[in-house]
Amino acid sequence: AQSVTQLDSQVPVFEEAPVELRCNYSSSVSVYLFWYVQYPNQGLQLLLKYLSGSTLVKGINGFEAEFNKSQTSFHLRKPSVHISDTAEYFCAVNPQGGSEKLVFGKGTKLTVNP
Amino acid sequence: ETGVTQSPTHLIKTRGQQVTLRCSSQSGHNTVSWYQQALGQGPQFIFQYYREEENGRGNFPPRFSGLQFPNYSSELNVNALELDDSALYLCASSSGGVGATEAFFGQGTRLTVV
Repeated sequence: AQSVTQLDSQVPVFEEAPVELRCNYSSSVSVYLFWYVQYPNQGLQLLLKYLSGSTLVKGINGFEAEFNKSQTSFHLRKPSVHISDTAEYFCAVNPQGGSEKLVFGKGTKLTVNP
Repeated sequence: ETGVTQSPTHLIKTRGQQVTLRCSSQSGHNTVSWYQQALGQGPQFIFQYYREEENGRGNFPPRFSGLQFPNYSSELNVNALELDDSALYLCASSSGGVGATEAFFGQGTRLTVV
């Protein structure tokens, strides 16, 4: 069975600072990896996904993530955050070759302060 | 605009009652997945419907049931509501089948059980 650990429940940063949100997963099979963002009182929006190929994945809103198979990690980064990036971020996995029954982490609340 | 719509947006029910939540999938999508997101947690997979058939179920009791209609819209039914059923219920639609495709989420239905 797959599981996802998001190592930080809350990450406060100042505007224009870089940020990294950490995600580790465990799985006995190869997986696809996703990052979703959830703004207050909203559903989930896909930021980026790793299916195969290059381990550095670029997404929307200037976010990127790096897949590290040996460390079973998929950390999300942004070089310079904005106030509008304040939201909850979820890492998710699903097994390759399976239909998309996502397993989510508990989320990281990113707060960007002026 | 993801194209996935859920109704109602908010709902208050009494313990022991039954509730039906609705989801209209994005045009062209034949798969609908339902997730429960308790406060402060990541979404948890309830079940998935693919071409009107249940295609996998998470660790939820049988009082959680669903339907998918020929137009691929879907319903989530919960019987004998319990206080712990209070959560945001998310619907996600995708093109389905084997392999990872992007799942588009609706805004969710906030269910409060009192």
